Amino acid sequence: DGGITQSPKYLFRKEGQNVTLSCEQNLNHDAMYWYRQDPGQGLRLIYYSQIVNDFQKGDIAEGYSVSREKKESFPLTVTSAQKNPTAFYLCASSSRQGRGNTEAFFGQGTRLTVV
Amino acid sequence: KQEVTQIPAALSVPEGENLVLNCSFTDSAIYNLQWFRQDPGKGLTSLLLIQSSQREQTSGRLNASLDKSSGRSTLYIAASQPGDSATYLCAERNNNAGNMLTFGGGTRLMVKP
Repeated sequence: DGGITQSPKYLFRKEGQNVTLSCEQNLNHDAMYWYRQDPGQGLRLIYYSQIVNDFQKGDIAEGYSVSREKKESFPLTVTSAQKNPTAFYLCASSSRQGRGNTEAFFGQGTRLTVV
Repeated sequence: KQEVTQIPAALSVPEGENLVLNCSFTDSAIYNLQWFRQDPGKGLTSLLLIQSSQREQTSGRLNASLDKSSGRSTLYIAASQPGDSATYLCAERNNNAGNMLTFGGGTRLMVKP
């Protein structure tokens, strides 16, 4: 089955810890994205990557880091510098603009809670 | 900066009604617009994608339209069912914003039996 897989579904972080959220896609998409969703709010862009070994900050990148070593994978690390990390995190992928259908597809999300 | 707005924020209708959800955007240099559905605690499911050259797209009971000149898109749901209850989000991909999607805040729809 083609799609995007996020893991884990639920994640608990202690104060001061770094945690990494996984996102893998087998859709052969160049572009991948990380969004944060808080209760009752829309999606805010954290980081995005249009190609392997390249990524850009979104609107709320502070306290987060990413890597894009493989086309299929775009892990997100929530660092201890992120003061309010409790949220629902969503990963998405699409083709790049100008390279065919740019329909975006999302994973099922990771709910991160600070304990 | 591109802004996308969805009105109303919440909507409750009886089963069987036809309804329209609205999405407006500020920059007319649109590349495409995508409508999604989100169930509680779940990811987003793509419903319809409208390219800037298109005026509408249809899938089953859903019809999405795009009017670039007025900066508006609408999602029409025919003969609503309780299973349509969810949050509906629109997202715009813009020629001036790289390869990014800008999301509206969503409309939370409740269809009552």
